Amino acid sequence: GAGVSQSPSNKVTEKGKDVELRCDPISGHTALYWYRQSLGQGLEFLIYFQGNSAPDKSGLPSDRFSAERTGGSVSTLTIQRTQQEDSAVYLCASSSVRGSYTFGSGTRLTVV
Amino acid sequence: TQLLEQSPQFLSIQEGENLTVYCNSSSVFSSLQWYRQEPGEGPVLLVTVVTGGEVKKLKRLTFQFGDARKDSSLHITAAQPGDTGLYLCAGTSGTYKYIFGTGTRLKVLA
Repeated sequence: GAGVSQSPSNKVTEKGKDVELRCDPISGHTALYWYRQSLGQGLEFLIYFQGNSAPDKSGLPSDRFSAERTGGSVSTLTIQRTQQEDSAVYLCASSSVRGSYTFGSGTRLTVV
Repeated sequence: TQLLEQSPQFLSIQEGENLTVYCNSSSVFSSLQWYRQEPGEGPVLLVTVVTGGEVKKLKRLTFQFGDARKDSSLHITAAQPGDTGLYLCAGTSGTYKYIFGTGTRLKVLA
């Protein structure tokens, strides 16, 4: 596609429920990144994909967080048993090899 | 752990004023980027600097990378309301991963 597409744009969920966030990167971009942004702050790195593999998962905050990427394209970030501290904007970016990031508009997750 | 500290955290100025935002670290970066983010949107890349001492200009915005490649500044001349947003610096040591700064929230009043 022309840009990075994320869905849903907003998600309100009850504490303890599981959520799935989707990222559709720019066509042909091999690298994909997930970041988390709390309340207008800087971005916190979560995970990096090159193709379908994730050589760097070091930013995932706990084992409740997981992500996968299929077909070298769409990625899904899953948060199990959500907690209130998971509330944030989850941003996805993609890039070509050594290229610049293009970010999506993010998913605003609110855990109530 | 690499950290990028930005200052000031918040800045509210009148249209037409000049301002400078700083991005500092104790780590050396191979390149550094500046982004602007508007509410409800993802960050948008403004510039990438890669050489120590490098200065890049983008219309009324001037970006400088420190000689030691540990710090950077963004100077805006004659700020306009359209410059309002969250400014983020991000640095990399040459890998795929960018570390983002704490952000500077700028508001330009008409």
